[in-house]
Amino acid sequence: DGGITQSPKYLFRKEGQNVTLSCEQNLNHDAMYWYRQDPGQGLRLIYYSQIVNDFQKGDIAEGYSVSREKKESFPLTVTSAQKNPTAFYLCASSIKGYYGYTFGSGTRLTVV
Amino acid sequence: AQSVTQLGSHVSVSEGALVLLRCNYSSSVPPYLFWYVQYPNQGLQLLLKYTTGATLVKGINGFEAEFKKSETSFHLTKPSAHMSDAAEYFCAVSQMNRDDKIIFGKGTRLHILP
Repeated sequence: DGGITQSPKYLFRKEGQNVTLSCEQNLNHDAMYWYRQDPGQGLRLIYYSQIVNDFQKGDIAEGYSVSREKKESFPLTVTSAQKNPTAFYLCASSIKGYYGYTFGSGTRLTVV
Repeated sequence: AQSVTQLGSHVSVSEGALVLLRCNYSSSVPPYLFWYVQYPNQGLQLLLKYTTGATLVKGINGFEAEFKKSETSFHLTKPSAHMSDAAEYFCAVSQMNRDDKIIFGKGTRLHILP
């Protein structure tokens, strides 16, 4: 079955460490997105990519980095510069964004 | 610029009662409109979407929404609530051939009372 896979589902990080969240899709979608979700704040866009080897900052890119070396993969690195990284992270993909997104099941990151 | 407003961050209804979740949008061109549902610790799942054509859109799990251009609204309804409908619901808007991103509302958490 086609879909979008995020791993791991739960991730714990010590302060000062970088951590990478995986997002893989086999839907042949061109565009991919990363969102952060905090209670009561809805979805906030971190980065998005509409084509391989290209990506744009979203509304809250500071402290995060991404790469898009393959169409299927869009990993997100949460760096030590992100002051409050504890959150639920969602990856999504689409053929064309305005047609709607397919979401992964999310990764819950906790800083310990 | 596009925007989405969902009225009420929390809505409670009794089991078997009508569910009505309100969404108003702002768009300078004809919009595409979406409702997504999110269960705890899961991703978002598409409930229904409006692109063009019939303004009453039927989705999964008995939900439907009506696009009202004059009111810039896209309210979500279900005739009879079930306990399994308890979740967070997001309304979203996009514009064909414009910015390739969807704009999401802040979400409405639906509580079902027994």
